[in-house]
Amino acid sequence: DVELVESGGGLVQPGGSLRLSCAASGFTFSNYAMTWVRQAPGKGLEWVSGISNTGDDSGYADSVKGRFTISRDNSKNTLSLQMNSLGAEDTAVYYCAKVRSGVAWELPLDYWGQGAQVTVSS
Amino acid sequence: EIVLTQSPGTLSLSPGERATLSCKASQTVGSNYFAWYQQKTGQAPRLLIYGASRRATDIPDRFSGSGSGTDFTLTISRLEPEDSAVYYCQHYDSTPLTFGGGTKVEIK
Repeated sequence: DVELVESGGGLVQPGGSLRLSCAASGFTFSNYAMTWVRQAPGKGLEWVSGISNTGDDSGYADSVKGRFTISRDNSKNTLSLQMNSLGAEDTAVYYCAKVRSGVAWELPLDYWGQGAQVTVSS
Repeated sequence: EIVLTQSPGTLSLSPGERATLSCKASQTVGSNYFAWYQQKTGQAPRLLIYGASRRATDIPDRFSGSGSGTDFTLTISRLEPEDSAVYYCQHYDSTPLTFGGGTKVEIK
């Protein structure tokens, strides 16, 4: 069965950094693009970033561009999100999600992790 | 950026009734690169519909999607108590991908 498990969330001060990881299993990780989606408390879903299956190409929402970096290690079946210059507006549950089929991130998301809570506060 | 506007904000219906959820895009979504997700309280979203009208794996046939261009609809033909959730539309036509604000479906 496909499983996605996020880790690395927590409480961080404004201006700080945090690195999220997502451990993938149950499918051939290197064959699929991956994405990060976040959800602020009581709010809707926001697409954050996507990365191709090889890691050669990536895209970002304007709200995180220049501050967040997505990456992947296909040898370890792991997706990561490096988050810098964090602000209160970045407080959210962060989900990693697998695209349904294909190597590009511009695809529907058929499996999601349980989410990692990121709280930015002093 | 394509902005998706969902309506209504909340839908309150009885079991067995039909639910019709709307999503309007600020510009044409190419090749019907459009999806619907269901999110129950405290859970991750679940893919219901992709390609505007294709049901995802293991999704009951009471869920159907339709539409093209800028107007898309999710229909739940016969509501069941477990359909209580927030439903989100999403386009994946171009970066940035965006989601609608969600429609909450309440079962009376």
